[in-house]
Amino acid sequence: NAGVTQTPKFRVLKTGQSMTLLCAQDMNHEYMYWYRQDPGMGLRLIHYSVGEGTTAKGEVPDGYNVSRLKKQNFLLGLESAAPSQTSVYFCASRTSGGNQETQYFGPGTRLLVL
Amino acid sequence: KNEVEQSPQNLTAQEGEFITINCSYSVGISALHWLQQHPGGGIVSLFMLSSGKKKHGRLIATINIQEKHSSLHITASHPRDSAVYICAVAFFGNEKLTFGTGTRLTIIP
Repeated sequence: NAGVTQTPKFRVLKTGQSMTLLCAQDMNHEYMYWYRQDPGMGLRLIHYSVGEGTTAKGEVPDGYNVSRLKKQNFLLGLESAAPSQTSVYFCASRTSGGNQETQYFGPGTRLLVL
Repeated sequence: KNEVEQSPQNLTAQEGEFITINCSYSVGISALHWLQQHPGGGIVSLFMLSSGKKKHGRLIATINIQEKHSSLHITASHPRDSAVYICAVAFFGNEKLTFGTGTRLTIIP
């Protein structure tokens, strides 16, 4: 099992450009999450999904969109990148058993917006 | 307000020392997780606690529900334990986790 994978690992964008981050998991997990990690701050939830075809906003959703067309994939889109979106992005997934279930994290995507 | 605080923010110790990292939270929780993030960036789950104590190898995690406090202990610390340790809690009625800012641990040989 590959677990949770993220594509790409690193990207540099210019302000105003768009991009899509892909998260894939092969554990048949229902729940998937997108977080961003910034220096001095804890992981912050951007969007999440509790199942195929569903998405919901997290703590910091502005400037991002998501889609969960297939159970194994969770896409994070930036329509018009801003320097404030420079961050490390982590995807995670877990089963539907509740918050006592372990979240499995991807390796992260480092994004630099110039 | 649902908050999670970790202490210390940074900790440097000699190899072999006993390490304690603390996590406090503001209101009732259904679960508390301890995570480890290595310098390469990957995040792995170490423990999930809802009560009591858990042990895995040299790592021990405890939680005191009444005091709203958890500790992560490392016995006989080793340089490979150098990492950021993150506490995350699930507050009652919330499907999502709230994360602390992490404790950066450095073990010197």
